[in-house]
Amino acid sequence: TQLLEQSPQFLSIQEGENLTVYCNSSSVFSSLQWYRQEPGEGPVLLVTVVTGGEVKKLKRLTFQFGDARKDSSLHITAAQPGDTGLYLCVFRERKRVILASNFGNEKLTFGTGTRLTIIP
Amino acid sequence: GAVVSQHPSRVICKSGTSVKIECRSLDFQATTMFWYRQFPKQSLMLMATSNEGSKATYEQGVEKDKFLINHASLTLSTLTVTSAHPEDSSFYICSARDRRGAYNEQFFGPGTRLTVL
Repeated sequence: TQLLEQSPQFLSIQEGENLTVYCNSSSVFSSLQWYRQEPGEGPVLLVTVVTGGEVKKLKRLTFQFGDARKDSSLHITAAQPGDTGLYLCVFRERKRVILASNFGNEKLTFGTGTRLTIIP
Repeated sequence: GAVVSQHPSRVICKSGTSVKIECRSLDFQATTMFWYRQFPKQSLMLMATSNEGSKATYEQGVEKDKFLINHASLTLSTLTVTSAHPEDSSFYICSARDRRGAYNEQFFGPGTRLTVL
C-alpha cells in the first residue's frame, strides 16, 4: 500500500490568515484530487488536476500538482470559519496500460488528512 | 454534480446482529461502487470494490464473509456487516464512480455511523 503523507496533520489558525497544506508521495500518479470532509458527512470533491505543474483556483483556494506528479499543495487565502474541515488529497494510481476492462477502476489512494480549524 | 445517498445515516445494534447499509447513485448509473471505513480522526480506508453483476473485490485484511457486498443494479450497492461486534463500530462511506465525467471522479455518500453495543 502506497503511503500518502499530508502535512500538517492538524492546523488551527485565525480567520483571515493564509495557509498551505502539502501532500507528498514517492510514487507517480496519473491524477490528483482534493476533497473536504465535514464531521459526520462524506468527502466532497473540490478539484481534480491531471497535468504535472498544473495550477487550479477555486475562489480563495489554489491547488497545485507537482511537476513530477508526486506531490501537491493546497493554499487557502484569507481563511474563513467555513473552511474548517478535514482536507484529503487523493491520488489515482498511474498505469502504463489502461485496458478497456479496468479503465476507471483504478484505486484511489487517500492521504493521511489535514484537519483544519479556522478560529473566528 | 452526481449525488450519492446512503441509508441509514446512523444505526445502533446489539452485538451479534447483522446490519445492512445501502448506497445509491441518484442521478447516474454506477457500474462500480466503493466501500470505505473511517475511524475517528483518521482518513478513509478502502474496504472493497463493488462491481455490478459480479463479485466484489476485497482489500487485504478485509473479511469477505463478514462484510457482504451486493451490487445488484447499476444504482444500488449494499454492505451487510454480519454478526457485528463492538470493534466493527465505525463510519462507513460508499462512493460511486461517474463515468460521464472527464476524469471518472468518485462521488461520496454522506456516510453511515454504525455503533455496536
